[in-house]
Amino acid sequence: EPEVTQTPSHQVTQMGQEVILRCVPISNHLYFYWYRQILGQKVEFLVSFYNNEISEKSEIFDDQFSVERPDGSNFTLKIRSTKLEDSAMYFCASSDENNQPQHFGDGTRLSIL
Amino acid sequence: KQEVTQIPAALSVPEGENLVLNCSFTDSAIYNLQWFRQDPGKGLTSLLLIQSSQREQTSGRLNASLDKSSGRSTLYIAASQPGDSATYLCAVRGATNKLIFGTGTLLAVQP
Repeated sequence: EPEVTQTPSHQVTQMGQEVILRCVPISNHLYFYWYRQILGQKVEFLVSFYNNEISEKSEIFDDQFSVERPDGSNFTLKIRSTKLEDSAMYFCASSDENNQPQHFGDGTRLSIL
Repeated sequence: KQEVTQIPAALSVPEGENLVLNCSFTDSAIYNLQWFRQDPGKGLTSLLLIQSSQREQTSGRLNASLDKSSGRSTLYIAASQPGDSATYLCAVRGATNKLIFGTGTLLAVQP
């Protein structure tokens, strides 16, 4: 069964450094998402992306965050200058239609030191 | 603002029992509701999606129901097994594509 893949599985970064989290959505999907889950808290929406542009973003997704689909397969989340509070599990998801199930990857655990 | 709540927060049952997990949401104007399973340190596995026009969905031993007007969904697991042990999350989708998640129910099925 096709799946969403995320790399790396764990990223450790110094505060203030830039980090790029990578995702390969399911190949025929058109809608892409990033969510995050701080340890012990709810899964929170960050951003949705469709037709090569952001369709919605949350208050968390400030100017330090950006997303990109650099080619036909990858979908990336960049954090320009990381803060301690960015430490979380980051999940990528994709769906083929906007009313169909969102399928999630296994996540990238981001640890900011 | 949509709020999603799941009760109970944790549940421990002996193997073979049937069980019900509850999810409630404050704004009934949803497009769909999705149930997920999350194993420790892992991603979210989609279990069932119920569209707002549907009352229930079934997959194997799982049955999810939706009562949109009262803002409730239940996930019924029949004949529970130790392999069902995980955190179960519900999430609702409103007019936009984003999912709003509950805090989850941690299920332990004792052999």
